[in-house]
Amino acid sequence: KQEVTQIPAALSVPEGENLVLNCSFTDSAIYNLQWFRQDPGKGLTSLLLIQSSQREQTSGRLNASLDKSSGRSTLYIAASQPGDSATYLCAVGTNDMRFGAGTRLTVKP
Amino acid sequence: GAGVSQSPSNKVTEKGKDVELRCDPISGHTALYWYRQSLGQGLEFLIYFQGNSAPDKSGLPSDRFSAERTGGSVSTLTIQRTQQEDSAVYLCASSPSSYNEQFFGPGTRLTVL
Repeated sequence: KQEVTQIPAALSVPEGENLVLNCSFTDSAIYNLQWFRQDPGKGLTSLLLIQSSQREQTSGRLNASLDKSSGRSTLYIAASQPGDSATYLCAVGTNDMRFGAGTRLTVKP
Repeated sequence: GAGVSQSPSNKVTEKGKDVELRCDPISGHTALYWYRQSLGQGLEFLIYFQGNSAPDKSGLPSDRFSAERTGGSVSTLTIQRTQQEDSAVYLCASSPSSYNEQFFGPGTRLTVL
């Protein structure tokens, strides 16, 4: 059974810092890896999708990488802002995505 | 354009009652997914539709749970004889096709008293 782990569970940084969130998974037979953010009491907002044949994707200040062989993905956030404060979730799989427990990020002004 | 919508946003019911949750996917999206998010279990996959067919029902936790999709669009998730452990946020997602980026709705918060 696919197990997805996210480290750290929580992270607090001052505004402007660059940061890295980590996601690891146990079964490399995945089709997609998707990063989401979730604001309190809200649904999930898709940030980046990496298909299994890809190694990274970029959107604005976000960059996500995928290393299937080692079962790892990282989400890099450049020049963090208070508006980036949210819980970040990674999900892997085919159509039945399996989620990690998330990293709760706080960016302090 | 319009995103995924879900109704109701909140539902409070008594143990033993049946509930129906509705999901309207993004127009043109052929794939639709149901998940639930609870404090103890995190986000769990429930069921996936491609068109009106459900090739993967593996995540449904018991036979009290069922789902259907009609016209390749709206989907309903039905929970019969609700139990307190069914309390959770039920999230729906859609994607343009299978094996594609998933877009989530705001969820339905179900509370079973």
